[in-house]
Amino acid sequence: GENVEQHPSTLSVQEGDSAVIKCTYSDSASNYFPWYKQELGKRPQLIIDIRSNVGEKKDQRIAVTLNKTAKHFSLHITETQPEDSAVYFCAASRGTGFQKLVFGTGTRLLVSP
Amino acid sequence: DGGITQSPKYLFRKEGQNVTLSCEQNLNHDAMYWYRQDPGQGLRLIYYSQIVNDFQKGDIAEGYSVSREKKESFPLTVTSAQKNPTAFYLCATRTTGSSYEQYFGPGTRLTVT
Repeated sequence: GENVEQHPSTLSVQEGDSAVIKCTYSDSASNYFPWYKQELGKRPQLIIDIRSNVGEKKDQRIAVTLNKTAKHFSLHITETQPEDSAVYFCAASRGTGFQKLVFGTGTRLLVSP
Repeated sequence: DGGITQSPKYLFRKEGQNVTLSCEQNLNHDAMYWYRQDPGQGLRLIYYSQIVNDFQKGDIAEGYSVSREKKESFPLTVTSAQKNPTAFYLCATRTTGSSYEQYFGPGTRLTVT
């Protein structure tokens, strides 16, 4: 089955810096890669996702890149702000039909003012 | 925060007791999921259901049971056979249309002593 590895487990940056979180997946048939943000005690919320037919997607300060050959994808946050502090999870699935998301173990991002 | 409700937010039980966690949705989504979240780990799939009266085991189904008698409801029972039931439990839904996004409920934190 699918296995998703996520690095780093913790990431500390200064406000205004960029942050990059990386994930690798094992199932070459996976074609949907979402990123979720979870604040302490709250539900995970989708912040951006990408399908395997594109290599990059951007939404304001957030971007995701996908390298299908290497089976890895990354989340890029530019101009970080204290409110970006949270745990970020990547996931992978075969998006068509029933969708079973396999999650990474999460990255705790701390943005210091 | 509407759409998916989970109750209660916090639940305390004694070891050896069964407990049922509620998940209700008004999004008219066909698919529903139960995940378990432990500190430092990603979300792990317990059970999922694509349609009423049908459900499948996920990766960690041992010690859990579910039912799907109505489209809107997908309760999870944590039985006394679950060896480490203390965790944060998240319910999610997804439409079976073209969107791949899974939407999460607010979660129930279960503590068993």
